[in-house]
Amino acid sequence: QKEVEQNSGPLSVPEGAIASLNCTYSDRGSQSFFWYRQYSGKSPELIMFIYSNGDKEDGRFTAQLNKASQYVSLLIRDSQPSDSATYLCAGGGPAGTALIFGKGTTLSVSS
Amino acid sequence: DVKVTQSSRYLVKRTGEKVFLECVQDMDHENMFWYRQDPGLGLRLIYFSYDVKMKEKGDIPEGYSVSREKKERFSLILESASTNQTSMYLCASSFPPVEAFFGQGTRLTVV
Repeated sequence: QKEVEQNSGPLSVPEGAIASLNCTYSDRGSQSFFWYRQYSGKSPELIMFIYSNGDKEDGRFTAQLNKASQYVSLLIRDSQPSDSATYLCAGGGPAGTALIFGKGTTLSVSS
Repeated sequence: DVKVTQSSRYLVKRTGEKVFLECVQDMDHENMFWYRQDPGLGLRLIYFSYDVKMKEKGDIPEGYSVSREKKERFSLILESASTNQTSMYLCASSFPPVEAFFGQGTRLTVV
C-alpha cells in the first residue's frame, strides 16, 4: 500500500516565524512531490512541486526533498495569518500512476 | 486562467438517483483523477484515467463509475446515489512531474 504520512497538527506558530511542515512517503517509485494549501471549504491550491533532491525556493516557501530518507518538507518563512490553512503533501509517479495524498497538516498562524 | 472546471459547485440529489459529475481541463493533461474528501479521512482516490477510454480503480471505487471519451473531459457517475456518498468531490488533472491542479470542487448532498 502506497502511503504518504503527515502530522495532522494543529501546528501553531506566531506571525513572522518559520513554519515547518513534514511528510514521509512509502513508495520509492514516487518521482515528484506536491504541496497544496487548502482553505476551509475550498479546493486545494498548488503551492510548489519538487522532484530533485535538495531545496527549491519560491518566495517565502522552500520545499526540501530527501529521497534516501523518503522525506519531503515545506518551510514557510515570515508566516502570516493568511497562511493559516491545511497543507497537503502528495506524491506522484510517472505518467499513468495516481497522485497519493497525505491527510494534511493544519497550520495556525497567530497575530 | 481557468484550468480545471467542475460542472457544479453545489448539488442536492435524492437517494437512488443517478448522478453525473463533470470535469473539464484545458491543459492537454493525460492524467485525470476523481477524489472525495471527508473530514478526518483526507483525500481518497475514487478513479483515475491516464488516457482516453482508460481508467483505473482507486481506493474507494464501489458505487461509482467513470467515463473518459475525450481527453479533456472526465466524468464521475454515481449509479444509485446513497446518503453515505454525501461529500466534497474533487477533480484533478496532472502532467507529471510538474503540474497537478484541482477543480473548484462539488459539494454533493444526497437526501
